Amino acid sequence: TQLLEQSPQFLSIQEGENLTVYCNSSSVFSSLQWYRQEPGEGPVLLVTVVTGGEVKKLKRLTFQFGDARKDSSLHITAAQPGDTGLYLCAGPMNRDDKIIFGKGTRLHILP
Amino acid sequence: DAGVIQSPRHEVTEMGQEVTLRCKPISGHNSLFWYRQTMMRGLELLIYFNNNVPIDDSGMPEDRFSAKMPNASFSTLKIQPSEPRDSAVYFCASSLNTIYFGEGSWLTVV
Repeated sequence: TQLLEQSPQFLSIQEGENLTVYCNSSSVFSSLQWYRQEPGEGPVLLVTVVTGGEVKKLKRLTFQFGDARKDSSLHITAAQPGDTGLYLCAGPMNRDDKIIFGKGTRLHILP
Repeated sequence: DAGVIQSPRHEVTEMGQEVTLRCKPISGHNSLFWYRQTMMRGLELLIYFNNNVPIDDSGMPEDRFSAKMPNASFSTLKIQPSEPRDSAVYFCASSLNTIYFGEGSWLTVV
């Protein structure tokens, strides 16, 4: 059973388009994190959202935490080829340090 | 800071051989994690340590896998004997508040 479900699994779009990817769970999380992983490297943290309904922006990336803290979304405006990568959401289980990950959305931006 | 350092970066071994993966966490971090990543299963938590003590090893696949953290600056993940289904990228990560990942050890068991 995957506690964090990410969708879509794969997304290929043209440069300049907008996109949204999702991270959903039936469980409540105290926080959720988004990572980006490029080929041959480990995941790198982009943002942590903590409060239900919270919105955080990182340049062209907008992250939102659901009001019930069970889901999150990542919206990218005017996607660039440099946005290509695997986007992972993650969260702590059982209020401890055990961080679990979704399977990720593999994003490919076509120039 | 050098970040989380893992070795080897790549290893190809024959089925039945022992594999030892090594990790040096970021100095000052008090938690260390071992993850395994495959296309099919994504990033799975195998085990994590807090202050060098194993807290949760429920993700360790079976008895062939073992992990140790003898001190705050070193950890190993050992597979004995290795099997082809163990082929994956193994990541070590450390954290104080934020998790930082190493570049991974790419293991192929033939």
